[in-house]
Amino acid sequence: KAGVTQTPRYLIKTRGQQVTLSCSPISGHRSVSWYQQTPGQGLQFLFEYFSETQRNKGNFPGRFSGRQFSNSRSEMNVSTLELGDSALYLCASRDQGNTEAFFGQGTRLTVV
Amino acid sequence: EDKVVQSPLSLVVHEGDTVTLNCSYEVTNFRSLLWYKQEKKAPTFLFMLTSSGIEKKSGRLSSILDKKELFSILNITATQTGDSAVYLCCSGAGSYQLTFGKGTKLSVIP
Repeated sequence: KAGVTQTPRYLIKTRGQQVTLSCSPISGHRSVSWYQQTPGQGLQFLFEYFSETQRNKGNFPGRFSGRQFSNSRSEMNVSTLELGDSALYLCASRDQGNTEAFFGQGTRLTVV
Repeated sequence: EDKVVQSPLSLVVHEGDTVTLNCSYEVTNFRSLLWYKQEKKAPTFLFMLTSSGIEKKSGRLSSILDKKELFSILNITATQTGDSAVYLCCSGAGSYQLTFGKGTKLSVIP
């Protein structure tokens, strides 16, 4: 079974731009979660999608949004980028009813 | 607000040493406690604990959960340089999100 795939692996954007990150979960997994990882804050929960519905959302501003498609692939969008958005963005997929999450390699976003 | 605290934040040991990593939690609607190992980017799953007092083992790694005192430990015996990584503890709650601690950075020197 293929693992969780995130694209792109690296991104450099300038302040004020927007960015879209993509995540393809493990086949058969319908839950996709997104996390932001920074050296100071560690891994912080952004949101979770299940069957195309946002099931839970972390404490991030509205500039951070996401969606999930019928094939369970998910995208995360960040608008009006700020320097502080520079981070590793990790996506994780889970089987229904199981809290064990499998992570992708992440997208390293640098905002300059 | 759910909280997970790991200690120590970093640790340097020599090959062959035994280490104990600590994780305490305060979580509403607690369901499980999970440990991950992060070497470069993708955290890889180690253990999921749901019941108190039952040790889970995988090779030189083991972990146990105490739901009364709200903590878990991860033990690594006979450490090797390949064990060098950040070890993440997180809680799974009724809200489905995982709340992570800041991690323990373990460095194993030859």
